[in-house]
Amino acid sequence: EVQLVESGGGLARPGGSLRLSCSASGFTFSTYWMHWVRQAPGEGLVWVSRINTDGVYINYADSVKGRFTISRDNAKNTLYLQMNGLRAEDTALYYCVRPLHGEYAFDIWGQGTMVTVSS
Amino acid sequence: QSALTQPASVSGSPGQSITISCTGTSSDIGAYKYVSWYQQHPGKAPKFMIYDVTSRPSGISNRFSGSKSGNTASLTISGLQAEDEADYYCTSFTSSDSYVFGTGTKVTVL
Repeated sequence: EVQLVESGGGLARPGGSLRLSCSASGFTFSTYWMHWVRQAPGEGLVWVSRINTDGVYINYADSVKGRFTISRDNAKNTLYLQMNGLRAEDTALYYCVRPLHGEYAFDIWGQGTMVTVSS
Repeated sequence: QSALTQPASVSGSPGQSITISCTGTSSDIGAYKYVSWYQQHPGKAPKFMIYDVTSRPSGISNRFSGSKSGNTASLTISGLQAEDEADYYCTSFTSSDSYVFGTGTKVTVL
């Protein structure tokens, strides 16, 4: 079964840091680009970042550029999101997402990990 | 990148057809065929419904169909059923090498 399991969410202070992880199973992780998408409570979906198969090509949403860093470890089948300089507006459920192979659409979603930024 | 514009809510009776619009710009929807749609039930992760404007993934009912004209994409649900009641989001790849989601539409089955 194809599965994505996020972890690492929790409560952080403004200006603080968190590192999210996403463990992938049931497919050849190293052959897929991967994404992070977030959803603030009661709000819509927002794309955060993507990374290519070998971690060389990376893109970020303007709202997180310079503060968040996406990375991956293909040997561990794991995707990461290092979140620094956290702000209240970063409070959201963060989804790890696998695209449909070779396509610009989001095929497999994890259940999400909640990040709350509050003093 | 501003969110794509969707109506806040759309409703219909069982068996009817409804259409959800998704309006962007010439830098996203108007520039690419890479529009996709997602269904999200409360408390659940989004579910992939349509990709490349009109294509349906395996297992998705043919009651769901997509289209695009200019800077506006649309999702049509025909033969509306109770289980179609959910939030729906569009998304598009953009000329900034990023993705933008729509504002979301709540579908209510009357």
